[in-house]
Parts: sequence; C-alpha cells; structure tokens
Amino acid sequence: DQQVKQNSPSLSVQEGRISILNCDYTNSMFDYFLWYKKYPAEGPTFLISISSIKDKNEDGRFTVFLNKSAKHLSLHIVPSQPGDSAVYFCAASTNAGGTSYGKLTFGQGTILTVHP
Amino acid sequence: DAEITQSPRHKITETGRQVTLACHQTWNHNNMFWYRQDLGHGLRLIHYSYGVHDTNKGEVSDGYSVSRSNTEDLPLTLESAASSQTSVYFCASSESIWVRAFFGQGTRLTVV
Repeated sequence: DQQVKQNSPSLSVQEGRISILNCDYTNSMFDYFLWYKKYPAEGPTFLISISSIKDKNEDGRFTVFLNKSAKHLSLHIVPSQPGDSAVYFCAASTNAGGTSYGKLTFGQGTILTVHP
Repeated sequence: DAEITQSPRHKITETGRQVTLACHQTWNHNNMFWYRQDLGHGLRLIHYSYGVHDTNKGEVSDGYSVSRSNTEDLPLTLESAASSQTSVYFCASSESIWVRAFFGQGTRLTVV
C-alpha cells in the first residue's frame, strides 16, 4: 500500500523554465511534508518542507504547494538550472499517535533532467 | 561540523552470511532511522530508534535487526543475507519531526 506516490518517474525541462514535480498521498493523518533531492552516489538532502497548517512555502527558487483536500503537493522550481538535475523524493510524516513520531514515508522519486 | 557517516560504502557478501552496516552521527540526535532504496519503491523504512535502548520495526524489517547502545550509533545487522537484500542502504537522524532528517552517504550492498 503506497501511501505516498510520485506518478511521474521522470521529467525533462529546459534551463530557465519552470519544473513542477507532483506528489499524492492517501493517509489523511500526514501533517508534515518534505522534499528531498538526491544526486547519484550521495544521500538525500533536505530541500524544503511544509506543515499541514499552510498551503504554500517558499525558499528562493523552490516553492512547495499543499492541497489538503486533494491530498496533493507539488514542488515548483523557477527558474530551473542544470544543477537541479537529480532525483526528487517527496516524503510525509505524522505526529499523531506518538509511535509515528519522526518517521518519513517516501514516494518513489522523480528524475528531473534540466537541459542547457 | 556535525555529520552522519556510514561504513562501508560498498560491500559484497555471500548468501547466508551475517553482515553489519555501521551508522555514526555526531548531531547528538535521539532519532535514528535505516532505509533501503530500491528502484520503483523509493526509500522504505527498515528500523528506527527514538533513543538509547529503544528500537522499532519499520515496514520492511524482516531479516534485519538493530541495536542502540549509545546516542551516536545505530548498526544494522542482516542476520542471514539474502539476494533480495541487495540494495542501497541509508541511515538518517533527526532532532524531531519538525526538523529535517539528515542522511548518510549510503552503503551499496550486494548479496551474491
């Protein structure tokens, strides 16, 4: 049962354009969402996060949008740069019940390629 | 600078052998996690710990065990390695749910 889904395995965009990566979730108890970026042969690194009390969070070129009613979040990268080429994972967590504290459930990842 | 390190980076082992992957963090985080990354599955949680002597099973814990004798280390043991455990393993630590988790560089394990 995949609770967090990234339905696009890959995305290709031109440098300078907008990249939009999408993520859907099924567990309504999730209340904190994160995006991680991963280069080959490296561990994932944190990119941006959003809590369920917000619908938008912005950090420089990166903006995450959360639509709770649709159980959908998206990551916008504007403008896209060749150095953004990586695998992007969305992740979700819940603080409900105590035992799930801090545990991240990841999507399958989307490979972003930004062409010069 | 504080960091989280995994060793070894690469390991080849035979089916049936016991293997231990090391994870050491200097963040002084109470929460530590082990994930495996497989194509089409993303990262899946194997085991996690919220503090010394605390360990919990994740979604894919069969065939794995962990122990937490101090704050800094959470070694992952494969009791009897199987080919299905060929994967890339990542260790992570976090201060709390509301703070990002930091990941190690990963260990690529091949079971032949």
